Amino acid sequence: QKEVEQNSGPLSVPEGAIASLNCTYSDRVSQSFFWYRQYSGKSPELIMSIYSNGDKEDGRFTAQLNKASQYVSLLIRDSQPSDSATYLCAVNRGYNKLIFGAGTRLAVHP
Amino acid sequence: SQTIHQWPATLVQPVGSPLSLECTVEGTSNPNLYWYRQAAGRGLQLLFYSVGIGQISSEVPQNLSASRPQDRQFILSSKKLLLSDSGFYLCAWSDRGGTGETQYFGPGTRLLVL
Repeated sequence: QKEVEQNSGPLSVPEGAIASLNCTYSDRVSQSFFWYRQYSGKSPELIMSIYSNGDKEDGRFTAQLNKASQYVSLLIRDSQPSDSATYLCAVNRGYNKLIFGAGTRLAVHP
Repeated sequence: SQTIHQWPATLVQPVGSPLSLECTVEGTSNPNLYWYRQAAGRGLQLLFYSVGIGQISSEVPQNLSASRPQDRQFILSSKKLLLSDSGFYLCAWSDRGGTGETQYFGPGTRLLVL
């Protein structure tokens, strides 16, 4: 079992819809979780971090964490073509080291 | 504000040649520094991390090495490149303090070994 698992996609959504990206992790002691966006050929950029169970909202983005189910998700409201990218989930493994999932490719079509 | 630089941006090297990639961070002191590799269509693999000058931890046995000669400088090296070393190399930094878990990435170096 991989430490951090994501559906590779592509996840295709129409413009204006909600995109839902999911991530599961195996290490129960993980306390910090991150979502990065990576455009093709570019480096990852941080979207959000989440540390507590529940929802955290930032603009059109909402991160959701459920530690009991070892599940973290990212919702993108009012999806735009510019949101088309690969979304990487990362989990803190301790000692400030992150474990990344392989990423989910999102395609938002007009 | 903090800035992270990597160079070169792209590199084409023959098998068996040496490698040196450089990463520098501006606007912060005593950062944690990381080297990752991303193979085509794959996730990020942590190669090395450093919590201070001369302090390097290796995550994956390989023909690569890392050095940190200055507080905000991190270098990735190889004496002899392999075909499997091709990939996108990313340097990242994080604060030592309260937000130390959040990592910020440089622009990356795309390496093609032929």
